[in-house]
Amino acid sequence: AQTVTQSQPEMSVQEAETVTLSCTYDTSESDYYLFWYKQPPSRQMILVIRQEAYKQQNATENRFSVNFQKAAKSFSLKISDSQLGDAAMYFCAYRTQTGANNLFFGTGTRLTVIP
Amino acid sequence: NAGVTQTPKFQVLKTGQSMTLQCAQDMNHEYMSWYRQDPGMGLRLIHYSVGAGITDQGEVPNGYNVSRSTTEDFPLRLLSAAPSQTSVYFCASSYRRPIRGTEAFFGQGTRLTVV
Repeated sequence: AQTVTQSQPEMSVQEAETVTLSCTYDTSESDYYLFWYKQPPSRQMILVIRQEAYKQQNATENRFSVNFQKAAKSFSLKISDSQLGDAAMYFCAYRTQTGANNLFFGTGTRLTVIP
Repeated sequence: NAGVTQTPKFQVLKTGQSMTLQCAQDMNHEYMSWYRQDPGMGLRLIHYSVGAGITDQGEVPNGYNVSRSTTEDFPLRLLSAAPSQTSVYFCASSYRRPIRGTEAFFGQGTRLTVV
């Protein structure tokens, strides 16, 4: 079974600074998808960024970028120019390409943005 | 598009009571799933479905039943509520095959308290 590990339960960053959230995963598959989801206090799950495992280029969405290291099974999220609205719980997730294509989540990292 | 509609948003049950959490999507997604979110444990997969008439168990299925009679609807039934089922529940849907899109869409969540 696939496992997703987020080793940082909590992180904080000063407004306008950069922060990196870590994620590692365990899989025997060669093709899969990785995601970062944001969950603000409203509880809504919001997709931040996605990465296809077959792509070597790291995904970027405005201030959000990833560092995808396939051999190391690492998928970190970098938030640049942090804003107060970035404060939320962030979940790393892995989606299989086999069977039912289930989505598996890490335990989350709570990000606090300090004004 | 309404996306994924999940009801109710909040519910309090007494131990032993039964209830159904409703989930509907209007995106013609084949794949639907239910998760529970507990502090420090991320989102864990309860049950999932890859199409009408097809359901299967996830990581934590005990105490829950599902059915999928239509593509649109995927209700989750608690047969005899227990305090251990106090949690936040999320319904999600997506295309099954990534060629049609990899993103999972989530409902707004249900906060369930069993007393």
